[in-house]
Amino acid sequence: DGGITQSPKYLFRKEGQNVTLSCEQNLNHDAMYWYRQDPGQGLRLIYYSQIVNDFQKGDIAEGYSVSREKKESFPLTVTSAQKNPTAFYLCASSMKPSGRIGEQFFGPGTRLTVL
Amino acid sequence: QQPVQSPQAVILREGEDAVINCSSSKALYSVHWYRQKHGEAPVFLMILLKGGEQKGHEKISASFNEKKQQSSLYLTASQLSYSGTYFCGTDGAGSYQLTFGKGTKLSVIP
Repeated sequence: DGGITQSPKYLFRKEGQNVTLSCEQNLNHDAMYWYRQDPGQGLRLIYYSQIVNDFQKGDIAEGYSVSREKKESFPLTVTSAQKNPTAFYLCASSMKPSGRIGEQFFGPGTRLTVL
Repeated sequence: QQPVQSPQAVILREGEDAVINCSSSKALYSVHWYRQKHGEAPVFLMILLKGGEQKGHEKISASFNEKKQQSSLYLTASQLSYSGTYFCGTDGAGSYQLTFGKGTKLSVIP
């Protein structure tokens, strides 16, 4: 079955540690996105990528880094520079109809807690 | 800039109707609507494009007023399964990212 997967589902990290969240899709989508969700705040864009080896910062990129070495993979690293990393992280992918933003398919999310 | 959704929350009885609004301060190319159930991933409902094109689920109805930079989602004859948080996402000309509102929590009770 085609879809988008994220791992792990729950992640605990000590302050000062970097951690990498996995996102894989087998939908053959060109575009991939990382969002952060906090209670009452909606979805806020961290990074997005429209093509392999290229990505752009979203609204809240500080303290995060990404890579896009393969079309199907878009891992997110939460660095120690991110001051308040505890949140629910969602990865999404979409086709690019005529260069615009298409329907986004979301993964199940990773809940990160900093201890 | 984040679009503004209203109301923030609404409670309906089964069979009642509801309207959720999304308003932006900038010119829009498209408006996207998603529903998220508690602890789950958001699910696509509809895209409304400048010029009148719409893509989405047959049972969902929505409008997009380009001049007013507003969109509304219409939920009729609500069912228990409609419960969840509804998000609108907007993108402006030249942008390849969605900016989501804070969401509207819809609760349908028997």
